[in-house]
Amino acid sequence: DAKTTQPNSMESNEEEPVHLPCNHSTISGTDYIHWYRQLPSQGPEYVIHGLTSNVNNRMASLAIAEDRKSSTLILHRATLRDAAVYYCILRTSGGGADGLTFGKGTHLIIQP
Amino acid sequence: GAGVSQSPRYKVTKRGQDVTLRCDPISSHATLYWYQQALGQGPEFLTYFNYEAQPDKSGLPSDRFSAERPEGSISTLTIQRTEQRDSAMYRCASSLGPHTDTQYFGPGTRLTVL
Repeated sequence: DAKTTQPNSMESNEEEPVHLPCNHSTISGTDYIHWYRQLPSQGPEYVIHGLTSNVNNRMASLAIAEDRKSSTLILHRATLRDAAVYYCILRTSGGGADGLTFGKGTHLIIQP
Repeated sequence: GAGVSQSPRYKVTKRGQDVTLRCDPISSHATLYWYQQALGQGPEFLTYFNYEAQPDKSGLPSDRFSAERPEGSISTLTIQRTEQRDSAMYRCASSLGPHTDTQYFGPGTRLTVL
């Protein structure tokens, strides 16, 4: 399975943008890039996903490199509620194993 | 239902006992997943169902772990002869379909084996 690499932790200030990087150099053509986050004492929740083009939704933006070997999750204006562990996950579009492989993720700390 | 529910929320058992955990997925969701999450770690995939079929059991740690979804809705995860290393949060998730659909997670069952 293609793997992802993320920094263990990042720190940002409230109301500032946050850029969370993810490397996935062995990504295949059928792999979608998904981001989930897990707030303290809660189950993981979906944030965003994409294949090739940049994506925006109400929670965040996803910027995907042209060669697809890396991506960046962008929180445009972080709040204290965004403090969580963020997971970058590859999912293939069809066939094979289907469970999410979470890895260690990035622990995002937001300073007030 | 409005979301994924799990019961019990907490379970304390003695080593060697059997435990059964329950997951009630979102009613329209065909696919259901089980994960195990140790303290301070990300969830690890155990198994999943498409309706009542169980295409992948590759993540189950041993043959003491089994899961069922006999009518394609509610699922149970059973751990036989529990061991202390089975202590973890067990999370259930459901999605409309497999592979690329968003997974919605339940609150989890915290299992403690004494």
